[in-house]
Amino acid sequence: GIQVEQSPPDLILQEGANSTLRCNFSDSVNNLQWFHQNPWGQLINLFYIPSGTKQNGRLSATTVATERYSLLYISSSQTTDSGVYFCAVRPLYSGGGADGLTFGKGTHLIIQP
Amino acid sequence: DTGVSQDPRHKITKRGQNVTFRCDPISEHNRLYWYRQTLGQGPEFLTYFQNEAQLEKSRLLSDRFSAERPKGSFSTLEIQRTEQGDSAMYLCASSLGKDVGEAFFGQGTRLTVV
Repeated sequence: GIQVEQSPPDLILQEGANSTLRCNFSDSVNNLQWFHQNPWGQLINLFYIPSGTKQNGRLSATTVATERYSLLYISSSQTTDSGVYFCAVRPLYSGGGADGLTFGKGTHLIIQP
Repeated sequence: DTGVSQDPRHKITKRGQNVTFRCDPISEHNRLYWYRQTLGQGPEFLTYFQNEAQLEKSRLLSDRFSAERPKGSFSTLEIQRTEQGDSAMYLCASSLGKDVGEAFFGQGTRLTVV
């Protein structure tokens, strides 16, 4: 099945810093989503971005589908940005029926005051 | 609140007991997914419904697990004869459309088997 690798696995920053999270995937995709998992476990949708660039406030994301990677940018980090960020993809050619999203292991981000 | 709703939020059960979880998707969404997440890992796909039809099951879904979506609305996930290894967060998601669409997740049910 498709492989999803996220880097870095852990990131500790001071409040106000900028960060870039990366997601590499091993095959063509028709769905790519970025999520923030809050301390209670809920996955919060950040971006639905199978290709192109999107921005939402301090967050932006870029997916280069032809090169099989996506980047999530967080600017002017706040302590509330802390948590785990997941990238999830759905392969374009599902073959044996891989309709569900395949998640990476996440990036654990800690923003210190 | 019109998001995905899951019940219960937490469940503690003794090994060997059966448990059932419920998921209410976003009302107009025709696709419903179940995932399982263990500590330190990303969610893993379990099964998927399009309307009332269960179209795909992961190899993770052993024969002790069964899911239903009888009227194409809410769904239930039952685990029979629970084992300690079943302890995890069970997440439900829904999306709209015939093909690919953005998935929205519920708050999850955290299962602890003692």
